[in-house]
Amino acid sequence: NAGVTQTPKFQVLKTGQSMTLQCAQDMNHEYMSWYRQDPGMGLRLIHYSVGAGITDQGEVPNGYNVSRSTTEDFPLRLLSAAPSQTSVYFCASSYSRAGGTIIETQYFGPGTRLLVL
Amino acid sequence: AQSVAQPEDQVNVAEGNPLTVKCTYSVSGNPYLFWYVQYPNRGLQFLLKYITGDNLVKGSYGFEAEFNKSQTSFHLKKPSALVSDSALYFCAVRAFMNTGFQKLVFGTGTRLLVSP
Repeated sequence: NAGVTQTPKFQVLKTGQSMTLQCAQDMNHEYMSWYRQDPGMGLRLIHYSVGAGITDQGEVPNGYNVSRSTTEDFPLRLLSAAPSQTSVYFCASSYSRAGGTIIETQYFGPGTRLLVL
Repeated sequence: AQSVAQPEDQVNVAEGNPLTVKCTYSVSGNPYLFWYVQYPNRGLQFLLKYITGDNLVKGSYGFEAEFNKSQTSFHLKKPSALVSDSALYFCAVRAFMNTGFQKLVFGTGTRLLVSP
């Protein structure tokens, strides 16, 4: 198993540009999520999904969009990049029960380091 | 709101000495707690978790954690530190969102530095 994979590993954007961060998992996990990691703030939840076609906002969703057309893939879109979105982005997946209302251990991808100028 | 706190930004320990990385939690109901480790330029790796049962939980790489309900703590421990244990450690708790779905709430992280 490859686990959770993310591309690209590193990206530089100019303010106003858009891009998509890719995330895929091969563990057949229903639950997937995106976090951003900033110094001194731990990880904060951006968006999450409890299955194909079902997504919802986390703590810091503004400026980001997601979709979940398949169980495997959960891309994160930056609509119009801003310097405040400079961060490290992690995708995670986990087995879930009861329609996603109970999650088990989350497994993380290697991260995407994003710099917005 | 459910949360975890890691009171130390950094912990320094000499190789061979025991180490402790502290975590306290605030939850309603029974806590479901995790420890993750992050090595430089890598993603988070799962170390161990507490659900119910034995208060001493054993995990990967010789780490263990002690759940203490009266002190609302879940400290990470290792009897003998290695230089290779130097990394960023995160405590996390499973929490419910307003939607009824769950998420992990992370602490701010503690950097462990093990000196030779």
